[in-house]
Amino acid sequence: GAVVSQHPSWVICKSGTSVKIECRSLDFQATTMFWYRQFPKQSLMLMATSNEGSKATYEQGVEKDKFLINHASLTLSTLTVTSAHPEDSSFYICSAGALAVTGELFFGEGSRLTVL
Amino acid sequence: LAKTTQPISMDSYEGQEVNITCSHNNIATNDYITWYQQFPSQGPRFIIQGYKTKVTNEVASLFIPADRKSSTLSLPRVSLSDTAVYYCLVGTGYGGATNKLIFGTGTLLAVQP
Repeated sequence: GAVVSQHPSWVICKSGTSVKIECRSLDFQATTMFWYRQFPKQSLMLMATSNEGSKATYEQGVEKDKFLINHASLTLSTLTVTSAHPEDSSFYICSAGALAVTGELFFGEGSRLTVL
Repeated sequence: LAKTTQPISMDSYEGQEVNITCSHNNIATNDYITWYQQFPSQGPRFIIQGYKTKVTNEVASLFIPADRKSSTLSLPRVSLSDTAVYYCLVGTGYGGATNKLIFGTGTLLAVQP
């Protein structure tokens, strides 16, 4: 099946720094990617829809200036957590659907962010 | 987007068949029903998808009644490695490429020896 890869798998940073997480579709093109956040023992929460070549669409309550999303190509979307704080510590997961394949979204392995 | 309701948790034993039911009373005509499995600290993994009646693949079956207001994921002969959270989702359109999926609470399945 199609593969979506995230990098880094985990990152630890100091409060106030910015962290970039990459999401790549390795063997297919994706005009749309989705970013989710998951806190311990909770479900995935959709943060935003990343559209190739245009601005991301954010879900209600998600700060677009805090979570910068860039989708510069059909195989790469990035999420930058700006001026990270301990409350931003979470598991971030991206997903993408293959244009020519219907029926499922493919999820990345997730990126664990810990802000000290 | 249709909201889904699932049991928070279920227990089973190795070798048993497990059926997890999901309610989606407000499902729309174009909505498909998809089930995902998630292990701790991993991204969700696709299990099965259907629109109506029954769908079967190598790992599970999905039963959808005529009114489509619920669906049941059936896992045959579970093993310890099937311990995970199972999510039922509904989404518009057939393809997942551009249709965002909203996750509900999911069902934590615990398989005992």
